[in-house]
Amino acid sequence: GQQLNQSPQSMFIQEGEDVSMNCTSSSIFNTWLWYKQDPGEGPVLLIALYKAGELTSNGRLTAQFGITRKDSFLNISASIPSDVGIYFCAGQLYNAGNMLTFGGGTRLMVKP
Amino acid sequence: DTGVSQDPRHKITKRGQNVTFRCDPISEHNRLYWYRQTLGQGPEFLTYFQNEAQLEKSRLLSDRFSAERPKGSFSTLEIQRTEQGDSAMYLCASSGQGGAFFGQGTRLTVV
Repeated sequence: GQQLNQSPQSMFIQEGEDVSMNCTSSSIFNTWLWYKQDPGEGPVLLIALYKAGELTSNGRLTAQFGITRKDSFLNISASIPSDVGIYFCAGQLYNAGNMLTFGGGTRLMVKP
Repeated sequence: DTGVSQDPRHKITKRGQNVTFRCDPISEHNRLYWYRQTLGQGPEFLTYFQNEAQLEKSRLLSDRFSAERPKGSFSTLEIQRTEQGDSAMYLCASSGQGGAFFGQGTRLTVV
């Protein structure tokens, strides 16, 4: 089946620094989604990408849908303590029942 | 609040008992998904409904698991004869034309 490789697995950064994480896949997706999950809660949708090459921002977050449709990245600028959490990428393929395939997550820790 | 709602938030059950979880999706969303998540892992797909039709089921969904969405609105996920390996967070999500939105999940602990 499809697999998503998400990296890095964890990051420990200083408040104010920029963050970059990415996902790569062995096959193409129609949609890429980025979620943030806090402990004991469900994932919260941050950004959705629908076209190859699309670059979308949501506040300090920017994500891009790779040209090959097999990768995506998420950048967070000027990190703050509340950015702490686990970030997941997810790919969606319409002819695979619209199910989401998730990466393994990137755990972000921010030092004030 | 018009987000995805799941009930209960937490469930502790003895091995061998049956449990049922409920999901109320965002009202205008026709697609509904169930996922399972264990500690340190990303969510794993279990099943997918479009309106009331169950269109996809993962191989993870053993015959002890059954899901329904009888009127195309809320959905239930039942686990029969629970095992300790069923302990996980069960997540429901719904979508319309855009991305999928998740509920807060039901944390199941089988003792």
